[in-house]
Amino acid sequence: DTAVSQTPKYLVTQMGNDKSIKCEQNLGHDTMYWYKQDSKKFLKIMFSYNNKELIINETVPNRFSPKSPDKAHLNLHINSLELGDSAVYFCASSQVRLANYNEQFFGPGTRLTVL
Amino acid sequence: AQSVTQPDIHITVSEGASLELRCNYSYGATPYLFWYVQSPGQGLQLLLKYFSGDTLVQGIKGFEAEFKRSQSSFNLRKPSVHWSDAAEYFCAVGARAAGNKLTFGGGTRVLVKP
Repeated sequence: DTAVSQTPKYLVTQMGNDKSIKCEQNLGHDTMYWYKQDSKKFLKIMFSYNNKELIINETVPNRFSPKSPDKAHLNLHINSLELGDSAVYFCASSQVRLANYNEQFFGPGTRLTVL
Repeated sequence: AQSVTQPDIHITVSEGASLELRCNYSYGATPYLFWYVQSPGQGLQLLLKYFSGDTLVQGIKGFEAEFKRSQSSFNLRKPSVHWSDAAEYFCAVGARAAGNKLTFGGGTRVLVKP
């Protein structure tokens, strides 16, 4: 029944490692997003994909690379993890329509801790 | 570019009292406005949204919000707060011209006193 799911829920790793976070949505939406929530709870968009095409790429370091194998999945791969990458990462999805705007549905978040 | 300001970082309210959370936005086109709630350790849940039409919108959990274009505001209200309303509340504006991204305010943490 889960609409937007993320794995893992918690991720603890060492600096310099490479890790991935997976996201899947079963809502049939065509657009998926990654947001980062920092330690002060500030939420900011990182990427969005529409039908596997990159639409939004905010000023995110090249160490972050989203991958969308199909429109139901958007994974986030992070290379050479740094302390500042510690945050909660949220995946979201929506159905983009030309004449309107649709709400985004969020996953439960992945708390990444870099030691 | 769009932006959202939530002037109150923390608000403490007694259970049963009314609650109002302020939100001001900046966006050049028609704003699509949202309020989300995040309970401790949880994800984001949509409380309500405004796209067009009636400027007073009703949401879940007894919340409502009023869109005032002249003040660029979208304040959230609840007449009587329950202890379970203690959470972080985020106002957001959606921008169709910017790939439908959501821009969030900094959030307001609501504490409920017994």
